Amino acid sequence: GAGVSQSPRYKVTKRGQDVTLRCDPISSHATLYWYQQALGQGPEFLTYFNYEAQPDKSGLPSDRFSAERPEGSISTLTIQRTEQRDSAMYRCASSLAPGGQETQYFGPGTRLLVL
Amino acid sequence: DAKTTQPNSMESNEEEPVHLPCNHSTISGTDYIHWYRQLPSQGPEYVIHGLTSNVNNRMASLAIAEDRKSSTLILHRATLRDAAVYYCILSIINYQLIWGAGTKLIIKP
Repeated sequence: GAGVSQSPRYKVTKRGQDVTLRCDPISSHATLYWYQQALGQGPEFLTYFNYEAQPDKSGLPSDRFSAERPEGSISTLTIQRTEQRDSAMYRCASSLAPGGQETQYFGPGTRLLVL
Repeated sequence: DAKTTQPNSMESNEEEPVHLPCNHSTISGTDYIHWYRQLPSQGPEYVIHGLTSNVNNRMASLAIAEDRKSSTLILHRATLRDAAVYYCILSIINYQLIWGAGTKLIIKP
């Protein structure tokens, strides 16, 4: 696609419910990243994929958070048993390849509100 | 983890150059220096990156100190559309970008 897209753009859920967020990266991009961004803060790394492999998930805050990219393109981030502290903007980014010199292109984000 | 230090905010007049400083004294030899910006209510946007040499592109210039412990993002002629939070970031070995709080750039007309 022309850019990174995310859906839904907004999600309101009740505490204890599961939510799944979707990211559709730029089509030629091998690498996909998930970030969590609190208001007034920079994004915080959650996990990344190189194609379907997930080499690093060290940023996932707890085992309630999981991510998949089964076919190396679209990715989902699932939060089980949501808690109010999970409320944040969730951002997805993609890059052509893994590597410290690669540019990351960000999607518009999904704003999650847990009531 | 390698970290960066930036001023919380800066002000500049429209049409004037802006120099945004960043300190990264613990940078390692393989860390790239990235700058992204985030306009209000938008996702982060790439500005520029470099390793050792100064870099120029259509958006900005990046001046990197000889010892690589600091760098400066230069916007040659700021416009109101450049008002944003500017993040100086080091990429580390597992390709994470470790983001700080950034510098909020305020452009005065």
